[in-house]
Amino acid sequence: SQQGEEDPQALSIQEGENATMNCSYKTSINNLQWYRQNSGRGLVHLILIRSNEREKHSGRLRVTLDTSKKSSSLLITASRAADTASYFCAPRGSASKIIFGSGTRLSIRP
Amino acid sequence: DAGVIQSPRHEVTEMGQEVTLRCKPISGHDYLFWYRQTMMRGLELLIYFNNNVPIDDSGMPEDRFSAKMPNASFSTLKIQPSEPRDSAVYFCASSLGQGFTEAFFGQGTRLTVV
Repeated sequence: SQQGEEDPQALSIQEGENATMNCSYKTSINNLQWYRQNSGRGLVHLILIRSNEREKHSGRLRVTLDTSKKSSSLLITASRAADTASYFCAPRGSASKIIFGSGTRLSIRP
Repeated sequence: DAGVIQSPRHEVTEMGQEVTLRCKPISGHDYLFWYRQTMMRGLELLIYFNNNVPIDDSGMPEDRFSAKMPNASFSTLKIQPSEPRDSAVYFCASSLGQGFTEAFFGQGTRLTVV
């Protein structure tokens, strides 16, 4: 299955701390995408990492990809209350479909 | 562009009634996806289209569900007859090209079947 599985299912941290969430998948991929969903809203694309890349940065986001382990991680540094959301990964292979796992629910405590 | 537009935002209907959800993708996008999200089952891909043609409808739960895309700027998801277990948030998303592009999501339609 092209679906990724996020871990942990839920994460609660203090504002200002770093948050790390992981994604595992089973198939070969061309790229892996991370999305955020705020409560009651549609998903928003955060970052895409290609299969030949090992690390990518975007603002406070850092994504790593290990294709040998079929895993990726998303690090959010210096977390803020506005980062409270669910985060999903989407491994993308040759198929056009985009399949999401159950996501990681991140809560930032003030 | 205004993004992906879904209507209605909220729909409450009685069991047995027909429900039609609508989606306008971003202009120029050639892929359109319909998803259903519930607490129990998460975010499920129901069907997706490429250039208005359904490519994979394996996620459509039952024959009560149908989707159409009569042109590049409009798609519908219809449930007939509706049942309480169809209550969920339905999302439409569109993207340009395949693989290395992001999907843009609409705000969703919250469907409640009573």
